[in-house]
Amino acid sequence: DTGVSQDPRHKITKRGQNVTFRCDPISEHNRLYWYRQTLGQGPEFLTYFQNEAQLEKSRLLSDRFSAERPKGSFSTLEIQRTEQGDSAMYLCASSLKDRDIAEAFFGQGTRLTVV
Amino acid sequence: TQLLEQSPQFLSIQEGENLTVYCNSSSVFSSLQWYRQEPGEGPVLLVTVVTGGEVKKLKRLTFQFGDARKDSSLHITAAQPGDTGLYLCAGAARGTSYGKLTFGQGTILTVHP
Repeated sequence: DTGVSQDPRHKITKRGQNVTFRCDPISEHNRLYWYRQTLGQGPEFLTYFQNEAQLEKSRLLSDRFSAERPKGSFSTLEIQRTEQGDSAMYLCASSLKDRDIAEAFFGQGTRLTVV
Repeated sequence: TQLLEQSPQFLSIQEGENLTVYCNSSSVFSSLQWYRQEPGEGPVLLVTVVTGGEVKKLKRLTFQFGDARKDSSLHITAAQPGDTGLYLCAGAARGTSYGKLTFGQGTILTVHP
């Protein structure tokens, strides 16, 4: 399978615990994005990388959230001290750098439930 | 303030009917994408429109990009139950951080047999 891969697909955690999600983008894609989506809504931008550089972070990304892409390939998103409001689908996407087209391909997402 | 406004938010129709979903903005976009998403899955890219006035067809789906590149529409002919899902438009507005895709709030389509 050459699509975007996310792991795990589902995560249930207790409030206050830390969680980490992994994303493996399409191999030739140099841009990687993280989004958060709640039920019935469109995805909200969290952050994106070009190669290993984190180019932008949303104000949605509080200090408890951190994302890395150490070698410009896979990425991790960590949430520390989880809160119930963090429950959502976390989506990763990747794309090729192009001047005019921002066309992203998504993984299947990680569904986080904080209890 | 939503950069991309989708309408309607909900659409419930019978099999065989036609429908149109709209995606509007006051901003100019370099391109717009349409995605379809099923429950528990990630969005799947349907089409990318790039040129103002462009029309693209994908079987029973017709996508149009406005002349001013500020709006787009998705038209489905003879809808089928398999078309049920969340339809999302997305784009990177000119003047924003390049590559940052912004999404509309989505249109939940239900097609009844």
